[in-house]
Amino acid sequence: NAGVTQTPKFQVLKTGQSMTLQCAQDMNHEYMSWYRQDPGMGLRLIHYSVGAGITDQGEVPNGYNVSRSTTEDFPLRLLSAAPSQTSVYFCASSGRTSGTTDTQYFGPGTRLTVL
Amino acid sequence: GQQVMQIPQYQHVQEGEDFTTYCNSSTTLSNIQWYKQRPGGHPVFLIQLVKSGEVKKQKRLTFQFGEAKKNSSLHITATQTTDVGTYFCAGPDSGYSTLTFGKGTMLLVSP
Repeated sequence: NAGVTQTPKFQVLKTGQSMTLQCAQDMNHEYMSWYRQDPGMGLRLIHYSVGAGITDQGEVPNGYNVSRSTTEDFPLRLLSAAPSQTSVYFCASSGRTSGTTDTQYFGPGTRLTVL
Repeated sequence: GQQVMQIPQYQHVQEGEDFTTYCNSSTTLSNIQWYKQRPGGHPVFLIQLVKSGEVKKQKRLTFQFGEAKKNSSLHITATQTTDVGTYFCAGPDSGYSTLTFGKGTMLLVSP
């Protein structure tokens, strides 16, 4: 199993450009999430999905869109990049067990710089 | 919404010294998870605590869940350079579909 994969590993954008961060998992997990990590801010939830066709907003959703057409893929779209979106982005997935929280498996991350 | 706070933000120790990080939640948690992130890496799951007052050990690491299920701690005995990284605690939302992470404690260990 490859686990959770993310592409690209690094990206530099200019202000106003759009792009899609890819995330895929091969563990048949129902739950998938996107986080951004900034120095001193920990991991902040952007969007999450509890299954194909179902997405919801997290703590910091503005400027990002997501969709979940398959169980495996959960892309994150930046509509019009801004310098404030310079960050490290992590995708994570977990299974669903009734009444508890499963382990989250993280991808290797995408380091994004917006100039 | 739920808030999870961690202290200290940063600690620098000499190899062989002990280290403790504390986690406090604004709400009662059904469980708490701990993750470790090495420099340049991604968070990796360490452990989950579920029961009130639970204590679990992994070699030199001891994890505790408070009696009120609102706080937790991670203690490392006799730190080694391999312990370097940021340690996060995280609590689930009411539907168990997402986690709220603390801001983490960055541990530096000097040989």
